Amino acid sequence: AQSVTQLDSQVPVFEEAPVELRCNYSSSVSVYLFWYVQYPNQGLQLLLKYLSGSTLVESINGFEAEFNKSQTSFHLRKPSVHISDTAEYFCAVTGLTGGGNKLTFGTGTQLKVEL
Amino acid sequence: EAQVTQNPRYLITVTGKKLTVTCSQNMNHEYMSWYRQDPGLGLRQIYYSMNVEVTDKGDVPEGYKVSRKEKRNFPLILESPSPNQTSLYFCASSLSRGHQETQYFGPGTRLLVL
Repeated sequence: AQSVTQLDSQVPVFEEAPVELRCNYSSSVSVYLFWYVQYPNQGLQLLLKYLSGSTLVESINGFEAEFNKSQTSFHLRKPSVHISDTAEYFCAVTGLTGGGNKLTFGTGTQLKVEL
Repeated sequence: EAQVTQNPRYLITVTGKKLTVTCSQNMNHEYMSWYRQDPGLGLRQIYYSMNVEVTDKGDVPEGYKVSRKEKRNFPLILESPSPNQTSLYFCASSLSRGHQETQYFGPGTRLLVL
């Protein structure tokens, strides 16, 4: 079984400031790691994912996340946030076991960007 | 446009009155699933389907039913809704059951059971 911990339920930050959203996971099997973003009144959409290879993965809108196996972490960062980044961010994993493509989600981090 | 659609988007009902939430995808995806989102709990999987006529329980299946008679549709059925099923529901689909696949989510259905 897998579990995901997002310790910060809310992160307020000023526009153009850097931000880090923390994600830690536990699993007895290998995992793939994902960050999904949920804008107000919308469904979730993929932001980025780590499958293998380089431990640093990037999204098209400036976010990046680094897979750290020893610390079982997959923190999300952005060097300079914009007001449009205000959303809820979910870290998720899929464990490489049977049962299909089930995502195990963290409880989410609400990022609020202020002017 | 490639998308997952859900209907209705908002629903208020009373305890015990059967309801169905529809989900449809136009991407020819094999894998579909239902999640519920509750404050402080994130999203939890209710049921999933690997293909037509193949469904299985997720983490929180009690009180729900599903069917997969066609590849594009995956309705969620609440035979006798109860107040603890008040939640935000999301349907999702992916190309295959592969763990690396990106899942595409519908816009959500907000359900209130009185």
